[in-house]
Amino acid sequence: DTAVSQTPKYLVTQMGNDKSIKCEQNLGHDTMYWYKQDSKKFLKIMFSYNNKELIINETVPNRFSPKSPDKAHLNLHINSLELGDSAVYFCASSHTPGLAYNEQFFGPGTRLTVL
Amino acid sequence: AQSVTQPDIHITVSEGASLELRCNYSYGATPYLFWYVQSPGQGLQLLLKYFSGDTLVQGIKGFEAEFKRSQSSFNLRKPSVHWSDAAEYFCAVGSSNTGKLIFGQGTTLQVKP
Repeated sequence: DTAVSQTPKYLVTQMGNDKSIKCEQNLGHDTMYWYKQDSKKFLKIMFSYNNKELIINETVPNRFSPKSPDKAHLNLHINSLELGDSAVYFCASSHTPGLAYNEQFFGPGTRLTVL
Repeated sequence: AQSVTQPDIHITVSEGASLELRCNYSYGATPYLFWYVQSPGQGLQLLLKYFSGDTLVQGIKGFEAEFKRSQSSFNLRKPSVHWSDAAEYFCAVGSSNTGKLIFGQGTTLQVKP
């Protein structure tokens, strides 16, 4: 049973296109996150949602828009893709921070390549 | 500003040798500290975590880490490295309020036979 799953695993697209990455967790968590890992393997948080409410919104271009239809899903839509968006995007989930040990469980990642 | 520094970008050890990966943090409040491991092409797996209490924490795969507040450090250790330990290791500090994790730049571990 996959705890945190992401689709697709690989995504290759042209500059200017719009694409979405989907994330689902079956751990019963109510907080989900998106991280970006660049070519130097540096990981940085982008967004997080708690019970479908946005709680972390780092300095990310407006072209990136997260959407959480329910607690188990957090999708990432990217408009007008640019070369610099090429990276590995990781989804993670945890219990509500502050209420419990907020250990985060990570998905396998989506490798996005913009040509 | 909150930050995590892993001074060693790349470490090579022989199989069976001991290992220590360094991590220093800067955080205003009591930190929640984590070590994650990333195998090639994989996601991140939690090795161990520190929230409070005993400053020496045990994790999976034979790893342990020691929290030293006076040195702002949370170094990861393993007494005997196995070839399967070759991976990328990330130290992170977490906010108890938002859950936000701030990662170090990672240390690549190579294991020689």
